[in-house]
Amino acid sequence: AQSVTQLGSHVSVSEGALVLLRCNYSSSVPPYLFWYVQYPNQGLQLLLKYTSAATLVKGINGFEAEFKKSETSFHLTKPSAHMSDAAEYFCAVSNTGGGNKLTFGTGTQLKVEL
Amino acid sequence: NAGVMQNPRHLVRRRGQEARLRCSPMKGHSHVYWYRQLPEEGLKFMVYLQKENIIDESGMPKERFSAEFPKEGPSILRIQQVVRGDSAAYFCASSRPLAGNQETQYFGPGTRLLVL
Repeated sequence: AQSVTQLGSHVSVSEGALVLLRCNYSSSVPPYLFWYVQYPNQGLQLLLKYTSAATLVKGINGFEAEFKKSETSFHLTKPSAHMSDAAEYFCAVSNTGGGNKLTFGTGTQLKVEL
Repeated sequence: NAGVMQNPRHLVRRRGQEARLRCSPMKGHSHVYWYRQLPEEGLKFMVYLQKENIIDESGMPKERFSAEFPKEGPSILRIQQVVRGDSAAYFCASSRPLAGNQETQYFGPGTRLLVL
């Protein structure tokens, strides 16, 4: 069974500050890991994904995430927050053993303040 | 290339009625997934379908819910005799056939179901 834990349901940062959204996973097999962003009343958009290649993954809009097996973590970062980054962010995991269903965390609402 | 299409975007039903949610995958995608998002929660997997086949329905409630993906036409998620607890956003995602690596799922805008 797989699971994802996102610490902090709400995160607030100042514009220009570092964004750090935490994600820890549990998986009995090597995982594939994803970060999605959801703007109000919209579907999910893929930010980036880890599929066992490079452990540092770069995504869209300046986001990146680092896979750390020893810490079972896949935290999302962005060096400098922009107002347009305000949204809800979901971490998700699926396994490499076939099938493609995603198990999502409960999400982190990012607020960016002036 | 159009993205994943879902309709209707909003659906209001009274208790006991039926709800039909439609999903047209992206061009070239033959795999469809349905997820449900309850208020203040993350998305929960419901069902995974390929054309004319249900591959994994481990997340589907045992009663009142069904899904299909016919050879022609969109995928349909059907909820019979809706109850207030069915009020949620229902998202469809599609992907290309798996090819060894994990294929990205692309999400539609969702159908927001409100049961009165």
